[in-house]
Amino acid sequence: SQKIEQNSEALNIQEGKTATLTCNYTNYSPAYLQWYRQDPGRGPVFLLLIRENEKEKRKERLKVTFDTTLKQSLFHITASQPADSATYLCALDGQAGTALIFGKGTTLSVSS
Amino acid sequence: EAGVAQSPRYKIIEKRQSVAFWCNPISGHATLYWYQQILGQGPKLLIQFQNNGVVDDSQLPKDRFSAERLKGVDSTLKIQPAKLEDSAVYLCASSFGMGSTEAFFGQGTRLTVV
Repeated sequence: SQKIEQNSEALNIQEGKTATLTCNYTNYSPAYLQWYRQDPGRGPVFLLLIRENEKEKRKERLKVTFDTTLKQSLFHITASQPADSATYLCALDGQAGTALIFGKGTTLSVSS
Repeated sequence: EAGVAQSPRYKIIEKRQSVAFWCNPISGHATLYWYQQILGQGPKLLIQFQNNGVVDDSQLPKDRFSAERLKGVDSTLKIQPAKLEDSAVYLCASSFGMGSTEAFFGQGTRLTVV
């Protein structure tokens, strides 16, 4: 069955630095991959979607890469701010394009 | 645009009791999902509806969990009887279609079984 790993449970960085979060997957070749942000006590909020034929996607300070050879996605937040502190979830499309399968998430803490 | 509405926000019940959660998706969204999120884990799909038909319920513990989506709009998820391990946040999400579209999540219902 598909397996998704977000390597770090927690990541602590200083304000202004670039945060890099990793998502690895096995036993599957997803057609697309999504990243979500989840704040405590709230539901996940969609950030970015990248398709298998796209190498990179950007949105403001966010950048996502998708390497289907390495079976890995990297999620970058540049010029990080304390307000970026949250849990970030990686999600892959399920078999036959059905529901998303989520990783455990990485909790990012940005200190000022 | 109104978001996905869920109720109640919190629920505490004793084991072996029953509980129901309600979800109202974003208007026009054909696809509705129920996810279970245990503390420290990512959301795990319980059931997916397309309009009022079930697309995937392979991970729904059908001996105790049931869900329905009447008229292809609102949905209810029921647990009967509840076990201690059912303590989790139950998230409802909706999307315009299936496949590569973003999912919109509600705030979730935090269930504690004691």
